[in-house]
Amino acid sequence: VYLVESGGGVAQRGGSLRLSCRVSGFEFSKYAMQWVRQAPGKGLEWLAVISDDGLKQEFADSVKGRFSISRDNPKNTVYLQMSSLRAEDSAVYFCARGLGYSTLDHWGRGTLVTVSS
Amino acid sequence: IVMTQSPLSLPVTPGEPASISCRSSQSLLQTYGFNYVDWYLQKPGQSPQLLIYLGSSRAPGVPDRFSGGGSGTDFTLRISRVEAEDVGVYYCMQTLQTPFIFGPGTKVHIK
Repeated sequence: VYLVESGGGVAQRGGSLRLSCRVSGFEFSKYAMQWVRQAPGKGLEWLAVISDDGLKQEFADSVKGRFSISRDNPKNTVYLQMSSLRAEDSAVYFCARGLGYSTLDHWGRGTLVTVSS
Repeated sequence: IVMTQSPLSLPVTPGEPASISCRSSQSLLQTYGFNYVDWYLQKPGQSPQLLIYLGSSRAPGVPDRFSGGGSGTDFTLRISRVEAEDVGVYYCMQTLQTPFIFGPGTKVHIK
């Protein structure tokens, strides 16, 4: 099982960024997928989940209305579209596979997002 | 749901047992007796890894020195005999309802 995030970098405050997570080694279309972030020196913060068929998405209050999650099952990829970025969105963003709908049983290495003014 | 952990820092001695407590602000016990709490370990410089799910089920490949227990609002992660490779930050996480919430983390380090 492999999960590789990409798309991180420096973004302007108020700007947008799209993160991708390409997976391999399992049948992607049968698993929910999630995003979690970790600000520098801080703990883990759960952000979003998308069901295996993409029909259900749920978000943390801190990103609701600003972030969206989507997936392309034929491409084995899940996305996190981030907009109206704030300084506090600066973090390492991890994607993870959902065991069932919620448990995070495999994680990527993360991609760093820095929001600058 | 609010998740708390104690202690936040835990010095350990290799070969000795260790335990971490996790408490939720509401019961995580649901149908069929499952407790919707997971435990994760983030070793230094690494991504988090799943240790325990549904309160007490060990994830594949996790050594049997790790065990999860408790029910309702109070949970414990136990390490029967700490090894040097067990250092890192341990997080509990409630998976009963969204938003899923992590505890603040417990940093385990060698004395």
